[in-house]
Amino acid sequence: GDSVTQMEGPVTLSEEAFLTINCTYTATGYPSLFWYVQYPGEGLQLLLKATKADDKGSNKGFEATYRKETTSFHLEKGSVQVSDSAVYFCALTSNTGANSKLTFGKGITLSVRP
Amino acid sequence: GAGVSQSPSNKVTEKGKDVELRCDPISGHTALYWYRQSLGQGLEFLIYFQGNSAPDKSGLPSDRFSAERTGGSVSTLTIQRTQQEDSAVYLCASNIGVANTEAFFGQGTRLTVV
Repeated sequence: GDSVTQMEGPVTLSEEAFLTINCTYTATGYPSLFWYVQYPGEGLQLLLKATKADDKGSNKGFEATYRKETTSFHLEKGSVQVSDSAVYFCALTSNTGANSKLTFGKGITLSVRP
Repeated sequence: GAGVSQSPSNKVTEKGKDVELRCDPISGHTALYWYRQSLGQGLEFLIYFQGNSAPDKSGLPSDRFSAERTGGSVSTLTIQRTQQEDSAVYLCASNIGVANTEAFFGQGTRLTVV
């Protein structure tokens, strides 16, 4: 079955540091890949997505590239801010018609120090 | 409504009692999903609705769990004879029912079984 593996957390960084959060996946066919974020006290929201190989998703300074050859979708940001402190989830859908159910990784908590 | 609304936001129940959790999706969204977020298991898919029918119930963990959707809108997740392992945050999401489109999540219902 489908699965998503994220690096273990939590991660603590100083403001303006470079961020990489690793994500690899196993799926049949050609999945779409997502990063969702959960800020403290808020619901899950989409951060970025990529629907085919070599696509790059980007939003709020975050980027991730769909790498089919390494089955990866690592999240990067060049300079993190305190406001980026949140839980980050990598996820995929297997493109089975209208059913876009998401398979999630376990999530990683990012804390950014001033 | 403006977003996905879930009620109650918190529910404490005694072991063995039945509970009902409600989800009001974004108006016009034909697809509705229930997920469960727990410390040990991360975020797990429970059930998918397209309109009022549920073509994918593969994530329901036991026959104590059931869900329905009426009028292509509000959905209710029912857990019968609750157990302590049912304690989790239950999340509802909706989207327009097209592959790879963004899912919008509610704030969740935190269920505690004592």
